[in-house]
Amino acid sequence: DGGITQSPKYLFRKEGQNVTLSCEQNLNHDAMYWYRQDPGQGLRLIYYSQIVNDFQKGDIAEGYSVSREKKESFPLTVTSAQKNPTAFYLCATRLGLSTDTQYFGPGTRLTVL
Amino acid sequence: SQKIEQNSEALNIQEGKTATLTCNYTNYSPAYLQWYRQDPGRGPVFLLLIRENEKEKRKERLKVTFDTTLKQSLFHITASQPADSATYLCALPSGGSYIPTFGRGTSLIVHP
Repeated sequence: DGGITQSPKYLFRKEGQNVTLSCEQNLNHDAMYWYRQDPGQGLRLIYYSQIVNDFQKGDIAEGYSVSREKKESFPLTVTSAQKNPTAFYLCATRLGLSTDTQYFGPGTRLTVL
Repeated sequence: SQKIEQNSEALNIQEGKTATLTCNYTNYSPAYLQWYRQDPGRGPVFLLLIRENEKEKRKERLKVTFDTTLKQSLFHITASQPADSATYLCALPSGGSYIPTFGRGTSLIVHP
């Protein structure tokens, strides 16, 4: 998991509530990513950010929002518009745009009750 | 965009044998291909990267091959151990952004 912290590890939410997942890194990496993982599925990209104050939608951005006010932090908000939010959420970083290896956080498991 | 295929069925092998996992892709050959390990309830961990001009890469008991003609990578673990039991993910950069696209992963179970 290196220098990437995700909190909380488990999160429960009632339907209709927004919830924010935290991702903090001390690796001094420029790029940060949010993925969603469902059982038996690959990682699906939600949002990514290559530089502070800039971010782009991934493949499944609907119902999610992000911010990148600091290099170290890339929080993900799961809004009530996300129809099926129960999943395992993974934050990742990469040193730069064209460098290769991604480093992943420990993940947050979100359950909607 | 790339479509990545990994065997969805778990691979069961006996301790000491060589495990071989397959990753196939369908579109253009990527500049490189990566393999990650993921344990239950945890984030993936990078294992190996192989570039398009490399046929084979080794790291301790791990070996990766890359055949751009077959559009396939093979991931081998020699002298497998129960501790090698995990899900192994293949990833390739997709498009000009170099953002990795991940396969669904193959579960490896090594029996003592």
